[in-house]
Amino acid sequence: RKEVEQDPGPFNVPEGATVAFNCTYSNSASQSFFWYRQDCRKEPKLLMSVYSSGNEDGRFTAQLNRASQYISLLIRDSKLSDSATYLCVVNLDAGGTSYGKLTFGQGTILTVHP
Amino acid sequence: NAGVTQTPKFRILKIGQSMTLQCTQDMNHNYMYWYRQDPGMGLKLIYYSVGAGITDKGEVPNGYNVSRSTTEDFPLRLELAAPSQTSVYFCASSMRGTLQETQYFGPGTRLLVL
Repeated sequence: RKEVEQDPGPFNVPEGATVAFNCTYSNSASQSFFWYRQDCRKEPKLLMSVYSSGNEDGRFTAQLNRASQYISLLIRDSKLSDSATYLCVVNLDAGGTSYGKLTFGQGTILTVHP
Repeated sequence: NAGVTQTPKFRILKIGQSMTLQCTQDMNHNYMYWYRQDPGMGLKLIYYSVGAGITDKGEVPNGYNVSRSTTEDFPLRLELAAPSQTSVYFCASSMRGTLQETQYFGPGTRLLVL
């Protein structure tokens, strides 16, 4: 089983649509969670961290369910500029010594069309 | 600040050749990382460093070597290139390597081994 699993998509949605991505992780000791965005042939960039209480940043909402080991990202009112690959990322280190070693899902491709 | 820079942008190697991928950051970050990304896949950690003179293996270190003689530079060495090393290589850095910290990625080096 992969440590971090995502539906690879692709998701093709019209502008203005709401789209949701899901991610599951296998290690219950995982400590921190992120969504990164990667544009075609570019480097990943942090979109948002994911907190247990859920968090929102404009049109983006992230949720974490530790009991189910499940992370989600909701994008409302999709824009053409949201077209990218969305990477679910988990920091598996436990015990207070992180070193920042990240484990990435394979990514979910989103295409927003006019 | 230039952030994280990588050279070269693209390289073609023959099987058995060697090369060094360069990575430099000007943010005075202590932690640096090398990842590889195969087509349609997430990133996998090759090596990381918690400071000058200190390096450790990640998930996929075989076939690679690293050194960290300065805070700014973290080169990745391929000694005997193999087709399986065809990938996009990303260098990243962070200040303290803590659980919630953002990692900043360089633009990547695309490597093709023939």
